[in-house]
Amino acid sequence: GQQVMQIPQYQHVQEGEDFTTYCNSSTTLSNIQWYKQRPGGHPVFLIQLVKSGEVKKQKRLTFQFGEAKKNSSLHITATQTTDVGTYFCAGRAPGNTGKLIFGQGTTLQVKP
Amino acid sequence: ETGVTQSPTHLIKTRGQQVTLRCSSQSGHNTVSWYQQALGQGPQFIFQYYREEENGRGNFPPRFSGLQFPNYSSELNVNALELDDSALYLCASSIGTGNFYGYTFGSGTRLTVV
Repeated sequence: GQQVMQIPQYQHVQEGEDFTTYCNSSTTLSNIQWYKQRPGGHPVFLIQLVKSGEVKKQKRLTFQFGEAKKNSSLHITATQTTDVGTYFCAGRAPGNTGKLIFGQGTTLQVKP
Repeated sequence: ETGVTQSPTHLIKTRGQQVTLRCSSQSGHNTVSWYQQALGQGPQFIFQYYREEENGRGNFPPRFSGLQFPNYSSELNVNALELDDSALYLCASSIGTGNFYGYTFGSGTRLTVV
């Protein structure tokens, strides 16, 4: 079945350093979404990418969707302590199955 | 505009019992998806309901069942509880089946099976 893998599982950075998490799907995706979950909280929607090669920015966050629509990345420039949390990618296979498959997440710790 | 609300927030059940979890979707959302999140893991898709019909199911046994009501609220029922069912159960609502919009998650129900 469809699998979505994320690396790394954990990342510790010094405040001000950059951070990147990578997401790979075993199958071609129709779209990919990114979510952030703070410790003890629930996932919060960040963004959706639909087009092959798409790049979107939200302030210090840059999201990319691969040309083959099988991989994606999230890059945070100059991390802040407010960026702490677990970042999940979630991919949807073509077809209207309603199945959005989440990766295992990358947990980001930021040292002030 | 209210968000997604789930009840109860915490629950302790004994192995073999049955449990019903409830979810009220965000105003204007007609689709509800249920996820199971074990500690330190990503959310695992259980199933989705769109306009009261199941629209996709993950790799969960039939003892996991659900309902969606005309007001788009939803229930997740789990029969014959097992210890491994202990997890955070998340409900997410969306407009349509999520192909164009992201999900709005509730705060979840923390289920502990002893």
